[in-house]
Amino acid sequence: DVKVTQSSRYLVKRTGEKVFLECVQDMDHENMFWYRQDPGLGLRLIYFSYDVKMKEKGDIPEGYSVSREKKERFSLILESASTNQTSMYLCASSSPTGSRYGYTFGSGTRLTVV
Amino acid sequence: QKEVEQDPGPLSVPEGAIVSLNCTYSNSAFQYFMWYRQYSRKGPELLMYTYSSGNKEDGRFTAQVDKSSKYISLFIRDSQPSDSATYLCAMTRGWSQGNLIFGKGTKLSVKP
Repeated sequence: DVKVTQSSRYLVKRTGEKVFLECVQDMDHENMFWYRQDPGLGLRLIYFSYDVKMKEKGDIPEGYSVSREKKERFSLILESASTNQTSMYLCASSSPTGSRYGYTFGSGTRLTVV
Repeated sequence: QKEVEQDPGPLSVPEGAIVSLNCTYSNSAFQYFMWYRQYSRKGPELLMYTYSSGNKEDGRFTAQVDKSSKYISLFIRDSQPSDSATYLCAMTRGWSQGNLIFGKGTKLSVKP
């Protein structure tokens, strides 16, 4: 069974902390994505990557950065966490043709910034 | 106009009812259409996938696409409390690197 694994289900961080959210997939997928999900706003794309060392800004990249050093791992970094970054963060992956067949999502990380 | 519109609900139905969930879209280039189910505090999981117009059935679920009206539907027959979740529609042009465009999701509650 294919899997996207997010390292933490729940995180509580303090304002100003640097936060790392890790995502690993075991499907040899080229494409990986980070979304945040908030009530009433749906899924919003933060960053995505089509290959190792590549990254593209999504719709809301401000306050975030990403790292893709290995094909299977895509990390989301909050350089200086703020309370408005409290959210559910979802990682997803797909093969190059896979957007036609959907994404596989991880279980999510619920981040609270206090 | 947003690319994909989906009524957020919430939608509450009694067990055994037929549920209809819908999305409209504006981009006529969309060809691939999906429905995701998301249980509370979990990630979305792919439920149904269709290409172009027509119907697709999988057990109690039927996905319908009407490209002429830019309208897609998900029908759930004999709904169960375990169907209580948020349902998101998603679609894409089908280019190799085209991203999925998601609706905001409809929250469904099936009461025993």
